[in-house]
Amino acid sequence: KAGVTQTPRYLIKTRGQQVTLSCSPISGHRSVSWYQQTPGQGLQFLFEYFSETQRNKGNFPGRFSGRQFSNSRSEMNVSTLELGDSALYLCASSLERPGSGANVLTFGAGSRLTVL
Amino acid sequence: GEDVEQSLFLSVREGDSSVINCTYTDSSSTYLYWYKQEPGAGLQLLTYIFSNMDMKQDQRLTVLLNKKDKHLSLRIADTQTGDSAIYFCARWGFQKLVFGTGTRLLVSP
Repeated sequence: KAGVTQTPRYLIKTRGQQVTLSCSPISGHRSVSWYQQTPGQGLQFLFEYFSETQRNKGNFPGRFSGRQFSNSRSEMNVSTLELGDSALYLCASSLERPGSGANVLTFGAGSRLTVL
Repeated sequence: GEDVEQSLFLSVREGDSSVINCTYTDSSSTYLYWYKQEPGAGLQLLTYIFSNMDMKQDQRLTVLLNKKDKHLSLRIADTQTGDSAIYFCARWGFQKLVFGTGTRLLVSP
């Protein structure tokens, strides 16, 4: 069974640009969550989607957005990039609806974004 | 609050046991987790424990939960060099995972 696939794995952008990251969840998983990992702030929750609906959102500015498609694939977008957006962006999928059961999240390898 | 705290660094010799500790502040947490992150990789779920349990064992891994003290630990028996990684404690809260700062485990031969 294929795991969570994130593309691209690495990318470099300049300040002011925008970026779109993609996540393909494990087949059959309907929930997709996004987390940002930085050396300074650690792992921070961005947002979570279930059945194409955003169920929960973290404390990030409106420049960070996401969506989920009918096949459960998800994308996140960051507009007007800032130096501080440099991070590893991790996507995770789960079978259950968040809040039900053990909430077992399977993470992808991440997309490492560098903003120059 | 959402704080989950861990010590930053642990160094052990191969074959010894490793114990990684975690404390949290929110007593309403239902599930607590341990994740492992190797260099350049994502997070790998090692194990999780429900808050009404005191202990869970899975091969070389033993999780202990002291709910009164809000203290979680991960014991790795017979630690190997391949166990060198960053270990994150996390709790389920407010419809999301809340992670600790991570403990870097270094295993020397």
